[in-house]
Amino acid sequence: QQPVQSPQAVILREGEDAVINCSSSKALYSVHWYRQKHGEAPVFLMILLKGGEQKGHDKISASFNEKKQQSSLYLTASQLSYSGTYFCGTVGTGGYNKLIFGAGTRLAVHP
Amino acid sequence: KAGVTQTPRYLIKTRGQQVTLSCSPISGHRSVSWYQQTPGQGLQFLFEYFSETQRNKGNFPGRFSGRQFSNSRSEMNVSTLELGDSALYLCASSFTGASTDTQYFGPGTRLTVL
Repeated sequence: QQPVQSPQAVILREGEDAVINCSSSKALYSVHWYRQKHGEAPVFLMILLKGGEQKGHDKISASFNEKKQQSSLYLTASQLSYSGTYFCGTVGTGGYNKLIFGAGTRLAVHP
Repeated sequence: KAGVTQTPRYLIKTRGQQVTLSCSPISGHRSVSWYQQTPGQGLQFLFEYFSETQRNKGNFPGRFSGRQFSNSRSEMNVSTLELGDSALYLCASSFTGASTDTQYFGPGTRLTVL
């Protein structure tokens, strides 16, 4: 089942902060975050693993609440380069690399 | 290290035809996954291959098939194309395909079915 992302879209001024949420109705083993710019491939940002381990981008932080099956991506002091669509991909227990992606959150950062 | 490469980058086909797309993973990566991306349905998992074996499959009809070669390169095939198959097809590679592995995406193949 597809995870639910919120909000669907965000508009920011440079330097502002944003939080993107990802929620699943199924038990999760890991949550993967990607950013995709128009016409380009999704670019890996972070993996959050059950148990608290994180791997990824050093300027972007995220959290993973296993009990609530939710993850949040925190974008602080946004830059123009942060613009794009953010996707969370979830992996259920035993799901190998079968990522189920949310519908995406469109982020636009303006000067 | 070279990234994931996909060929061709663009394809135009007509209904009823078949198409084969190719993906070369990052050197050393043995898992290749395929995704379909459309404006309406978003990013959807097609299948995943590891060591020439399909390990996972998404909810797509049998017209969509794939395979992986001993050098980890993968191909996907869509037969009897329909208008709704128009999409960006992305492949992603990772070391082992474990759920803790990072998947790295290729640039995609844009398929247009007329």
